[in-house]
Amino acid sequence: DTEVTQTPKHLVMGMTNKKSLKCEQHMGHRAMYWYKQKAKKPPELMFVYSYEKLSINESVPSRFSPECPNSSLLNLHLHALQPEDSALYLCASSQVSMGHSYEQYFGPGTRLTVT
Amino acid sequence: KQEVTQIPAALSVPEGENLVLNCSFTDSAIYNLQWFRQDPGKGLTSLLLIQSSQREQTSGRLNASLDKSSGRSTLYIAASQPGDSATYLCAFTTDKLIFGTGTRLQVFP
Repeated sequence: DTEVTQTPKHLVMGMTNKKSLKCEQHMGHRAMYWYKQKAKKPPELMFVYSYEKLSINESVPSRFSPECPNSSLLNLHLHALQPEDSALYLCASSQVSMGHSYEQYFGPGTRLTVT
Repeated sequence: KQEVTQIPAALSVPEGENLVLNCSFTDSAIYNLQWFRQDPGKGLTSLLLIQSSQREQTSGRLNASLDKSSGRSTLYIAASQPGDSATYLCAFTTDKLIFGTGTRLQVFP
């Protein structure tokens, strides 16, 4: 099974709402990632979790709050977002060893619209 | 700052043609290089992974090569089909993926 699942597929939220994105993998990977992708641009890394600990935060605003409750799950909690945060949010996972990442597997993404 | 450039940015070809997509990077100290395909509004599908000790990988009609000394990787698509239409992204890894700018490919019947 090389599948990464993400829910929901689409999300529309107001600027005062609180919502969460969920990502799950059952490949035994110990590294999980959140990316943000705007239209016609490559994905931009937001966060990396390695062995359930946050290892990289690419200076992401605090209105985005990641959480890794166990080795299979990754959440992204959203609060007080801005319209410019509307994008495709992608989750990925990989093996990890010696600080280098192996092949990354991506989920289908959550299309987020902030109104 | 590491930069990854893909040429061409867009490509439109009739089906059956053999294609070459190029990826250039500025730092040869990469670990792996991965090629992805992305359909509009969808996630990324991994096509090929070339480890730094390798020079090429093949999967079906796809062949990817890696030349670290020149800072280049090439994705070769043989006998292109309309179903190959997508955006192709290269990305190299250190402790994280650094993505290229992408090539938007359209293959028409």
